[in-house]
This record gives sequence, C-alpha cells and structure tokens, in this order.
Amino acid sequence: EVQLVESGGGLVQPGRSLKLSCAASGFTFSNYYMAWVRQAPTKGLEWVASITNSGGSTYYRDSVKGRFTISRDNAKSTLYLQMDSLRSEDTATYYCTRGGRWYLSSWFAYWGQGTLVTVSS
Amino acid sequence: DIQMTQSPASLSASLGETVTIECRASEDIYSNLAWYQQKPGNSPQLLIYDANSLADGVPSRFSGSGSGTQYSLKINSLQSEDVASYFCQQYNNYPHTFGAGTKLELK
Repeated sequence: EVQLVESGGGLVQPGRSLKLSCAASGFTFSNYYMAWVRQAPTKGLEWVASITNSGGSTYYRDSVKGRFTISRDNAKSTLYLQMDSLRSEDTATYYCTRGGRWYLSSWFAYWGQGTLVTVSS
Repeated sequence: DIQMTQSPASLSASLGETVTIECRASEDIYSNLAWYQQKPGNSPQLLIYDANSLADGVPSRFSGSGSGTQYSLKINSLQSEDVASYFCQQYNNYPHTFGAGTKLELK
C-alpha cells in the first residue's frame, strides 16, 4: 500500500524558515517524480514544486522560486521542501504527492494527509 | 502559464441524476488532464487521468472525456458519497495548473 506521511508543519513568523518532510513507503521511491501541492484555507489546489525521480531536475511555481527548495533522498525514501523567507500568502496545507508514471511528469496519483503551515506574527 | 477554466463553480443535483463538470484549457493540453475528488476534511483523490482513464478503485459511474482544450467529467447515477469538490488539472506543461473547483451538493 502506498503511503505518504508529511511532517514539519506549524506556526512560523513571516520571514522565517520551515522544512517539510514526506516519508514514502509501499513503492519504489526512486522510480517516480514527486511533488508538493498546497491548498490555502477554503481555497483551491496549487502546485508548488516537482522533482524528477533522480533528483537531477526541479521545477517551481514563480511565487516560490528562489525561496523554496524541493529535494529528495532516495536512500531514505523521503521528500523534502525547504521553505525560506516565508510570507503570509504561503499559509496552506501542504500535500506530498507521487506521480502516476515511472520516470515521467504526470498526474498526482497518490496524496499524503497534508501538513498545515501557518505564517503569522 | 496554461489557465484552466472550470464550470460550474457549484452544482446541486438529486440522487440518481447524471452530472457533468467542464474544464477548458487556455491552449491544447493533448489529453494530459486529470480529475480529482476532495471530500470535506480529506486529501484529494485521483479519479481520472489522461483525460479518460479511470484510476484504480474508482467506481465506473465516473467517466472523463475530451481532447484539445475542452474536457469533461461525468458522474452517472449520483450517490450520496459523491458529495465533494472536484478539480481538474493539466500536466502538459509546467507550472501544472488546476481548475478553481466545483462544489457538488445534493438537492
């Protein structure tokens, strides 16, 4: 059974940093693209960042480029999101997702339960 | 960026009814489209990928169709457990973009 378990969310002041983790199990982690998708309270879904199966390439939405860093440790089957210079508009539930196809960018086949990040003074 | 225009924003339907949700892309996305269902308090779940392929475990009353810039999700014989929000998403280009969502309620 595929499982994605996020951790690391919480309350943080504007301008500070936070690092999210996602522990994956139930599949060969190194075969799949992974991504973070967020959802602000009562709002829609917003793709944040993706990383290729090897970690060699990363992709970001413009509003987080230069502030967020997606990374992965295939030996530990863990995905990360380092969030720096946080802003109030980054407040959201962050979901870890797994791609649907081997080695290719695709739909988000599996989602974690989400971790809430609140940016407020 | 590819804009995904989803309609309607909300929908009220009766049990047993057939409902259709539409999604229009601002450019051709070559069927690289997925649909997700999100029930209140839960994570989104994949329903349809590649515009018309049913994800594992999804009831056959759900179906997807379309090509180019126009796509739709159809739910046949609406059940009470289908009350949820539905989102389309294109993965043809980065940034991957979602529709604004459709909230489906029972009449």
